[in-house]
Amino acid sequence: AQRVTQPEKLLSVFKGAPVELKCNYSYSGSPELFWYVQYSRQRLQLLLRHISRESIKGFTADLNKGETSFHLKKPFAQEEDSAMYYCALISGSRLTFGEGTQLTVNP
Amino acid sequence: GAVVSQHPSWVICKSGTSVKIECRSLDFQATTMFWYRQFPKQSLMLMATSNEGSKATYEQGVEKDKFLINHASLTLSTLTVTSAHPEDSSFYICSARGTSGRSSYEQYFGPGTRLTVT
Repeated sequence: AQRVTQPEKLLSVFKGAPVELKCNYSYSGSPELFWYVQYSRQRLQLLLRHISRESIKGFTADLNKGETSFHLKKPFAQEEDSAMYYCALISGSRLTFGEGTQLTVNP
Repeated sequence: GAVVSQHPSWVICKSGTSVKIECRSLDFQATTMFWYRQFPKQSLMLMATSNEGSKATYEQGVEKDKFLINHASLTLSTLTVTSAHPEDSSFYICSARGTSGRSSYEQYFGPGTRLTVT
């Protein structure tokens, strides 16, 4: 069965500092991974997917099959990045979410 | 972009009554809709997947007779919590996936419905 693990429930950094949100997964097939973000009082929305290999709002994430990881990174955090971040893996049409990391970027 | 709405946004009901939650895709046709449950400070747990015109597929441990799902059209799915009890109090979130373009792989999430059973 697939599983997604986000080891940090809370992460706090200062504005301008680099940030890395960790995500590890277990999946028997070829994984397709996503990062979702939920800003305060807003709905969950897709941030990026590994297949696209894109950078959204300065965030990037690289799939490392050897380490079964899909960490989310941003070189210079901004206050508006404060939100809940969920790593997710899709199998068929089913999304499995990690437990989420609450990122706080302090001024 | 694709928008998914839920109604109501919050509801309080008495124990033993039933509550219906609607999920609508406003500007795209959703062949598949998903229902999640989220407890405070926890992740989203998939409850069931519904495809338009067919029976929902429930996740292990989810009582299909308690959580009735209907996906009668390409823009509407409903979740009915029957004979609700206080332990059913939770945040229920739906998502929808379409058939073309970005909506074919991205799930668009509704804002959620807060259910409180007294």
